[in-house]
Amino acid sequence: EVQLVESGGGLVQPGGSLRLSCAASGFTFSRHCMGWVRQAPGKGLEWVANIKADGSEKYHVDAVKGRFTISRDNAENSLYLQMNSLRAEDTAVYYCARIFLFERGGYFRHFDLWGRGAPVSVSS
Amino acid sequence: DIQMTQSPSSLSASVGDRVTVTCRAGQNIATYLNWYQQKPGKAPKLLIYAASTLQSGVPSRFSGSTSGTDFTLTISGLQPEDVASYYCQQSYRVPYTFGQGTKLEIK
Repeated sequence: EVQLVESGGGLVQPGGSLRLSCAASGFTFSRHCMGWVRQAPGKGLEWVANIKADGSEKYHVDAVKGRFTISRDNAENSLYLQMNSLRAEDTAVYYCARIFLFERGGYFRHFDLWGRGAPVSVSS
Repeated sequence: DIQMTQSPSSLSASVGDRVTVTCRAGQNIATYLNWYQQKPGKAPKLLIYAASTLQSGVPSRFSGSTSGTDFTLTISGLQPEDVASYYCQQSYRVPYTFGQGTKLEIK
Protein backbone atom coordinates (compact mmCIF):
# COMPACT_ATOMS: atom_id res chain seq x y z
CA GLU A 1 0.00 0.00 0.00
CA VAL A 2 1.24 3.48 -0.88
CA GLN A 3 1.37 5.42 2.38
CA LEU A 4 3.19 7.81 4.68
CA VAL A 5 3.11 7.29 8.43
CA GLU A 6 4.33 9.96 10.84
CA SER A 7 5.57 9.35 14.36
CA GLY A 8 7.40 11.17 17.14
CA GLY A 9 4.85 13.82 18.03
CA GLY A 10 3.86 14.67 21.58
CA LEU A 11 3.90 17.21 24.38
CA VAL A 12 7.10 19.18 24.96
CA GLN A 13 7.99 22.21 27.06
CA PRO A 14 8.95 25.52 25.47
CA GLY A 15 12.60 25.44 24.47
CA GLY A 16 12.55 21.67 24.11
CA SER A 17 13.20 19.43 21.11
CA LEU A 18 11.37 16.76 19.16
CA ARG A 19 12.22 14.69 16.12
CA LEU A 20 9.40 13.73 13.79
CA SER A 21 9.77 10.73 11.52
CA CYS A 22 7.82 9.76 8.43
CA ALA A 23 7.98 6.19 7.13
CA ALA A 24 7.23 5.80 3.43
CA SER A 25 6.06 2.60 1.79
CA GLY A 26 4.60 1.37 -1.48
CA PHE A 27 6.59 3.67 -3.77
CA THR A 28 10.20 4.48 -4.66
CA PHE A 29 10.94 7.00 -1.92
CA SER A 30 14.36 7.98 -3.29
CA ARG A 31 12.80 9.37 -6.49
CA HIS A 32 10.62 11.97 -4.78
CA CYS A 33 11.09 15.35 -3.19
CA MET A 34 9.35 15.41 0.19
CA GLY A 35 7.98 18.05 2.51
CA TRP A 36 6.38 18.91 5.84
CA VAL A 37 3.21 20.98 6.21
CA ARG A 38 1.69 21.98 9.54
CA GLN A 39 -1.69 23.09 10.78
CA ALA A 40 -2.19 24.91 14.07
CA PRO A 41 -5.42 24.16 15.97
CA GLY A 42 -8.38 25.67 14.10
CA LYS A 43 -6.08 27.32 11.55
CA GLY A 44 -5.07 26.84 7.93
CA LEU A 45 -2.20 24.99 6.32
CA GLU A 46 1.37 26.25 6.48
CA TRP A 47 4.24 24.87 4.41
CA VAL A 48 7.24 24.16 6.68
CA ALA A 49 10.04 22.58 4.64
CA ASN A 50 11.01 20.68 1.47
CA ILE A 51 13.94 18.44 0.61
CA LYS A 52 15.09 17.25 -2.80
CA ALA A 53 15.04 13.55 -3.67
CA ASP A 54 18.77 13.09 -3.08
CA GLY A 55 18.80 15.37 -0.04
CA SER A 56 21.13 17.85 -1.74
CA GLU A 57 18.88 20.88 -1.26
CA LYS A 58 16.62 21.87 1.62
CA TYR A 59 14.23 24.78 2.10
CA HIS A 60 12.56 25.99 5.30
CA VAL A 61 9.95 28.65 6.02
CA ASP A 62 11.42 31.71 7.74
CA ALA A 63 9.44 31.03 10.95
CA VAL A 64 11.47 27.85 11.60
CA LYS A 65 14.85 28.66 10.03
CA GLY A 66 17.68 27.98 12.44
CA ARG A 67 15.43 25.88 14.68
CA PHE A 68 14.02 23.10 12.45
CA THR A 69 15.91 20.88 10.01
CA ILE A 70 14.45 18.58 7.39
CA SER A 71 16.45 15.48 6.45
CA ARG A 72 15.97 12.06 4.91
CA ASP A 73 17.44 8.56 4.78
CA ASN A 74 16.70 6.98 1.42
CA ALA A 75 18.08 3.62 2.54
CA GLU A 76 15.48 3.59 5.32
CA ASN A 77 12.67 5.19 3.25
CA SER A 78 12.31 7.81 5.94
CA LEU A 79 11.85 11.55 6.22
CA TYR A 80 12.64 13.52 9.37
CA LEU A 81 12.01 16.90 10.94
CA GLN A 82 14.32 17.84 13.80
CA MET A 83 12.64 20.56 15.83
CA ASN A 84 14.70 22.50 18.39
CA SER A 85 13.97 25.56 20.54
CA LEU A 86 10.25 24.85 20.28
CA ARG A 87 7.78 27.63 20.94
CA ALA A 88 4.08 27.68 21.79
CA GLU A 89 3.34 28.89 18.25
CA ASP A 90 4.83 25.65 16.86
CA THR A 91 1.89 23.74 18.31
CA ALA A 92 0.24 22.04 15.34
CA VAL A 93 -0.42 18.82 13.50
CA TYR A 94 2.58 18.13 11.29
CA TYR A 95 1.93 16.37 7.99
CA CYS A 96 4.52 14.55 5.92
CA ALA A 97 3.79 14.87 2.20
CA ARG A 98 5.19 13.54 -1.05
CA ILE A 99 5.92 16.00 -3.83
CA PHE A 100 5.05 15.06 -7.38
CA LEU A 101 7.32 16.89 -9.79
CA PHE A 102 6.69 17.11 -13.52
CA GLU A 103 7.84 19.23 -16.40
CA ARG A 104 5.39 21.07 -18.65
CA GLY A 105 7.19 24.13 -19.91
CA GLY A 106 8.40 24.58 -16.34
CA TYR A 107 8.73 22.40 -13.24
CA PHE A 108 5.39 21.95 -11.50
CA ARG A 109 5.12 20.59 -7.97
CA HIS A 110 2.22 19.51 -5.80
CA PHE A 111 1.69 17.44 -2.67
CA ASP A 112 0.02 14.29 -3.99
CA LEU A 113 0.29 11.97 -0.98
CA TRP A 114 -0.15 12.92 2.67
CA GLY A 115 0.31 11.16 5.97
CA ARG A 116 -2.30 11.29 8.73
CA GLY A 117 -0.29 13.80 10.72
CA ALA A 118 1.64 13.93 13.99
CA PRO A 119 0.33 16.24 16.74
CA VAL A 120 2.90 18.44 18.46
CA SER A 121 1.97 20.45 21.54
CA VAL A 122 4.39 22.96 23.07
CA SER A 123 3.31 23.95 26.54
CA SER A 124 4.61 24.22 30.08
CA ASP B 1 6.79 35.77 0.03
CA ILE B 2 3.90 35.33 -2.41
CA GLN B 3 0.60 36.13 -0.71
CA MET B 4 -2.43 34.03 -1.62
CA THR B 5 -5.79 35.67 -0.86
CA GLN B 6 -8.68 33.23 -0.83
CA SER B 7 -12.38 34.08 -0.73
CA PRO B 8 -14.85 33.60 0.71
CA SER B 9 -13.65 32.34 4.08
CA SER B 10 -16.87 30.36 4.42
CA LEU B 11 -19.94 29.62 2.41
CA SER B 12 -23.14 27.67 2.65
CA ALA B 13 -24.85 26.14 -0.38
CA SER B 14 -27.51 23.60 -1.23
CA VAL B 15 -27.03 20.17 -2.70
CA GLY B 16 -26.87 20.50 -6.47
CA ASP B 17 -25.66 24.11 -6.43
CA ARG B 18 -22.71 25.39 -8.39
CA VAL B 19 -20.06 26.64 -5.97
CA THR B 20 -17.01 28.77 -6.69
CA VAL B 21 -13.98 29.57 -4.55
CA THR B 22 -11.48 32.20 -5.63
CA CYS B 23 -7.79 32.59 -4.94
CA ARG B 24 -5.77 35.65 -5.93
CA ALA B 25 -1.98 35.57 -6.08
CA GLY B 26 0.04 38.59 -4.98
CA GLN B 27 2.16 38.34 -8.12
CA ASN B 28 2.29 36.42 -11.38
CA ILE B 29 2.57 32.68 -10.66
CA ALA B 30 1.59 31.47 -14.14
CA THR B 31 -0.35 28.24 -13.49
CA TYR B 32 1.69 27.06 -10.48
CA LEU B 33 -1.47 26.71 -8.40
CA ASN B 34 -2.89 23.69 -6.61
CA TRP B 35 -6.20 23.06 -4.83
CA TYR B 36 -6.68 20.79 -1.82
CA GLN B 37 -9.71 19.52 0.05
CA GLN B 38 -9.57 18.82 3.78
CA LYS B 39 -12.39 17.08 5.59
CA PRO B 40 -12.68 17.50 9.38
CA GLY B 41 -10.04 15.52 11.24
CA LYS B 42 -8.40 14.29 8.05
CA ALA B 43 -5.29 15.05 6.03
CA PRO B 44 -5.59 17.31 2.99
CA LYS B 45 -6.25 15.70 -0.37
CA LEU B 46 -5.08 17.00 -3.74
CA LEU B 47 -7.93 17.96 -6.06
CA ILE B 48 -6.41 20.00 -8.88
CA TYR B 49 -2.85 20.82 -9.86
CA ALA B 50 -1.30 23.20 -12.37
CA ALA B 51 -4.43 25.35 -12.00
CA SER B 52 -6.75 23.15 -14.07
CA THR B 53 -5.61 19.51 -14.16
CA LEU B 54 -7.85 17.16 -12.23
CA GLN B 55 -6.01 14.70 -10.00
CA SER B 56 -6.71 11.06 -10.79
CA GLY B 57 -9.76 9.73 -8.94
CA VAL B 58 -11.27 13.15 -8.22
CA PRO B 59 -14.89 13.53 -9.40
CA SER B 60 -15.36 15.51 -12.58
CA ARG B 61 -17.69 17.98 -10.85
CA PHE B 62 -14.52 19.66 -9.58
CA SER B 63 -12.74 21.98 -11.99
CA GLY B 64 -10.16 24.75 -11.91
CA SER B 65 -9.57 27.79 -14.05
CA THR B 66 -7.36 30.85 -14.19
CA SER B 67 -7.45 34.42 -15.38
CA GLY B 68 -4.21 36.28 -14.83
CA THR B 69 -3.46 36.08 -11.12
CA ASP B 70 -7.01 34.97 -10.21
CA PHE B 71 -7.75 31.28 -9.82
CA THR B 72 -11.13 29.62 -9.38
CA LEU B 73 -12.20 26.26 -8.01
CA THR B 74 -15.68 25.28 -9.16
CA ILE B 75 -17.89 22.49 -7.87
CA SER B 76 -20.65 21.82 -10.40
CA GLY B 77 -23.45 20.07 -8.56
CA LEU B 78 -22.58 20.17 -4.86
CA GLN B 79 -22.79 16.82 -3.05
CA PRO B 80 -23.12 16.21 0.71
CA GLU B 81 -19.66 14.60 0.78
CA ASP B 82 -18.13 17.88 -0.44
CA VAL B 83 -18.47 19.41 3.03
CA ALA B 84 -14.87 20.34 3.78
CA SER B 85 -12.35 23.15 3.82
CA TYR B 86 -10.64 24.04 0.55
CA TYR B 87 -7.17 25.53 0.19
CA CYS B 88 -5.22 26.94 -2.72
CA GLN B 89 -1.42 26.75 -2.73
CA GLN B 90 1.18 28.30 -5.00
CA SER B 91 4.19 26.22 -6.01
CA TYR B 92 5.90 28.94 -8.06
CA ARG B 93 8.51 29.71 -5.42
CA VAL B 94 9.36 28.77 -1.84
CA PRO B 95 7.84 29.36 0.62
CA TYR B 96 4.93 27.47 -0.95
CA THR B 97 2.19 29.60 0.56
CA PHE B 98 -1.41 28.51 1.06
CA GLY B 99 -4.57 30.55 0.97
CA GLN B 100 -6.42 31.03 4.25
CA GLY B 101 -8.99 28.38 3.37
CA THR B 102 -12.71 28.26 2.56
CA LYS B 103 -15.05 26.29 4.78
CA LEU B 104 -17.95 24.86 2.78
CA GLU B 105 -21.17 23.79 4.45
CA ILE B 106 -24.47 22.42 3.20
CA LYS B 107 -27.64 24.47 3.76
